Formats: sequence, C-alpha cells, structure tokens
Amino acid sequence: ETGVTQTPRHLVMGMTNKKSLKCEQHLGHNAMYWYKQSAKKPLELMFVYSLEERVENNSVPSRFSPECPNSSHLFLHLHTLQPEDSALYLCASSQASSPGELFFGEGSRLTVL
Amino acid sequence: AQKVTQAQTEISVVEKEDVTLDCVYETRDTTYYLFWYKQPPSGELVFLIRRNSFDEQNEISGRYSWNFQKSTSSFNFTITASQVVDSAVYFCALSETGGYQKVTFGTGTKLQVIP
Repeated sequence: ETGVTQTPRHLVMGMTNKKSLKCEQHLGHNAMYWYKQSAKKPLELMFVYSLEERVENNSVPSRFSPECPNSSHLFLHLHTLQPEDSALYLCASSQASSPGELFFGEGSRLTVL
Repeated sequence: AQKVTQAQTEISVVEKEDVTLDCVYETRDTTYYLFWYKQPPSGELVFLIRRNSFDEQNEISGRYSWNFQKSTSSFNFTITASQVVDSAVYFCALSETGGYQKVTFGTGTKLQVIP
C-alpha cells in the first residue's frame, strides 16, 4: 500500500460507545496530524505528532484521545462522544523537508447518534 | 492569529470556461507559506502548490495558475479551460515556517464544472 490509509472509512456509534480511528502512513514521514472537517467550517487541526511526540493539542475535548505508537501509525480513541462530534476525521502526514505539504488519507466519516 | 478567507462558497462553470478561486489571508508573520489543496469527492485532500512569502512570482502549471499579491494579502487560483474532472472542493491554506507545519485552512470553495 502507498500513501496514507485510514480505517474505518465509516463509523456509526452511540454516545456511550468507545471506538478508535486508525491511520497508517507508508511515506516515511516524521509528522502526523488529525484534522476534523465539519460542513461549512475550516478544517480544524486537532493534534500533531512530530517524531512521535505530541506537539499540538488544539483545545480538543478529552473525549478525543490520540495515540502515536510509532512514526507510521496514529490512532484517535473516541469515548462518550456527542452528536456535534459527527464529522469527517482526516489524518495527514508530512516531512520536515517539505513544509506544509500534507498528505491526507480519505478520512473516516463519523456519525454519533 | 492566522486566518484564511475564501469568500466563494460554491462556483458553477460550464466546461472550457476559465474560473478563478479567491483567497485572502491574514498573518502577523513576516515569513510564511501559502498553499492550495484539492478535495475530490473521494475525500482525500491533494496538495497542489506551495508558495513562500518571499516569492511573489506567479506560477503556471498546465491549466492551473496562481497569482500571489502580498500587497493585498491574496493568493488566487485560476483554472483555464475547466474540465469536469476539476470538480472538487478547493482549499487555500497558510502556515508558519520552521518546525512542524501548523497549517491553517480556509472554508473551501466548491467548484462544479458542468459538461
């Protein structure tokens, strides 16, 4: 596989469920990102990991918990979500030598009932 | 704080027409990067171009061209002779320089090219 892959592509969960989104990059990049995309809003940066260390946490509620076990994998653990958390969650990766050139996955469409 | 404004929410053009997507940005940084990304219906954003704030030369790549004007804080994107495959949401973005790249995106412009 190449590029950035995200699973699952679609997820429906109740407010009391616990689920996780997974992202894997095969590009040898050293930074990974979670973005939230809601209708008619700018992409919201949630978390950034650089060299497996979290360097950005944009005031994201604690019901979202990221995990970066190595430079190729990124998870977003979801717990006790709200209906307003329904959105497309996009993972991206980048390399320091190519500033701002983010490579995105196709996203995980999350619906919270 | 950085901000990117794309005032055009949706644009429809007929195939082969030219179309310009507007982007206005705000930043206090003296050096920064500007970008355009394309999001086709499949979902993944695709990087199109990066422009350094020091480089105000316009750029052309095939049917795509970009006009960077620092005096008006604008970075507009023109598609010449549009095609149906150009239908997508286009995002303008801005980032600081150095370190990991915190990229700030606009709200996007949805372009529909009608055959």
